[in-house]
This record gives sequence, structure tokens and C-alpha cells, in this order.
Amino acid sequence: DTAVSQTPKYLVTQMGNDKSIKCEQNLGHDTMYWYKQDSKKFLKIMFSYNNKELIINETVPNRFSPKSPDKAHLNLHINSLELGDSAVYFCASSQGWAQYFGPGTRLLVL
Amino acid sequence: AQSVTQPDIHITVSEGASLELRCNYSYGATPYLFWYVQSPGQGLQLLLKYFSGDTLVQGIKGFEAEFKRSQSSFNLRKPSVHWSDAAEYFCAVASQDSGAGSYQLTFGKGTKLSVIP
Repeated sequence: DTAVSQTPKYLVTQMGNDKSIKCEQNLGHDTMYWYKQDSKKFLKIMFSYNNKELIINETVPNRFSPKSPDKAHLNLHINSLELGDSAVYFCASSQGWAQYFGPGTRLLVL
Repeated sequence: AQSVTQPDIHITVSEGASLELRCNYSYGATPYLFWYVQSPGQGLQLLLKYFSGDTLVQGIKGFEAEFKRSQSSFNLRKPSVHWSDAAEYFCAVASQDSGAGSYQLTFGKGTKLSVIP
């Protein structure tokens, strides 16, 4: 009965590939998010999304695109992966101000 | 724009000792403040949050935090640290996105806590 889940937990891939990370929440929340945590543990918002609006952090390359098939899912698709995309990606959801995070997906681009 | 500063990158305490992790924020309006903990290889767990009201908030695992508007601070405390508290701690401030219903968290750079047995 995990609240926010992500798959896969680990992802190792080659430069130039396209990959997706899946996120699901069973909390009934309206809003979901993607964060990137770099090698220095710094967390930065990438996207916030509810069923009405997508907010994109202006620093996120357009190779990254969130896709939401329904309110409980927000997947992250990444095109043409680069070495600098290696990081831990966290999904989160909220209903109101408090956000609840998934366990993270550790992406390594070789 | 909002920002969060955690002045201490790494703190080491002995088990059983008291703990205080510092957090200073910059935000134009009334801040909504949070502390999260990240154990090694794990996701972020919400420890506690401050929205309004009593400036001393209680969280899980015996943690508490005090909001001081005059000092723009939201320091995290625990009276007696356990070895299992060793982790990375993040302070965050929430701001509302333009439009409907979503809020962004701006995180500090984290404080790593080591506990000596």
C-alpha cells in the first residue's frame, strides 16, 4: 500500500537513448511533481502538474516531458539522454501544501 | 524569489546528545515551511510542517521545529539523538504556482547528520 511509487528504481542506459520513468500515487491527490536531485544532493523542481495545468521549470530542457494518463500517474519521458542527466529523480504528490515523495529512480547515463 | 539556506553541510553528534539543525528562509509572504529527512538510498520523508498558529511544531520520530519570524528561521531540534537518525535533512519553503492548485517546494542544500555511537 505504498503511497507514491516509482519504477524502475535503477536505470542504467547509454547516451542518446530515450527512457521513461513511471510514477503512481494512491493518495487521491490532485497534483503531482517531478524533482531532480543532483550528485551534491541538491533538489530542484522540474514540473508540477494537476489535471488543469502543467507548470514547467524554465531551466528544464525540452528533452524532458511529463505525461499523465490519469490523475494517479505522472510519467517522465526523457529523449536523447545526456551524461548530465545522471541523477536521482523523485516523484511527489500533494493535496494542499504538504508533498509526499516516492522512493526515487537512480538514473545513470553512460 | 524564495530561498532556503542550511548553513551546516555536515554535523556530527554523539548518540544521546541533543541536536539542532539550522534553517533560514527568504520569502515575501507568510511562509509554509517543511523539514524532510532522506536516509541513505531512500526517498524523502516528511518530518513536520509549519503553516500557521503555534510556532513550535511537533513532528514524527521525536523531532520538533520552531518558527521565528524575526529571525527568518525554522530550526529543527531533537533532545536525544539515536543512531538511526543519521541521514540527510532538508528544509523547504512552499510557494504557490501561478494558476490553480500546485505548489513548489524550494529546498535548502541539506545537512548531513552523522551519529557517533
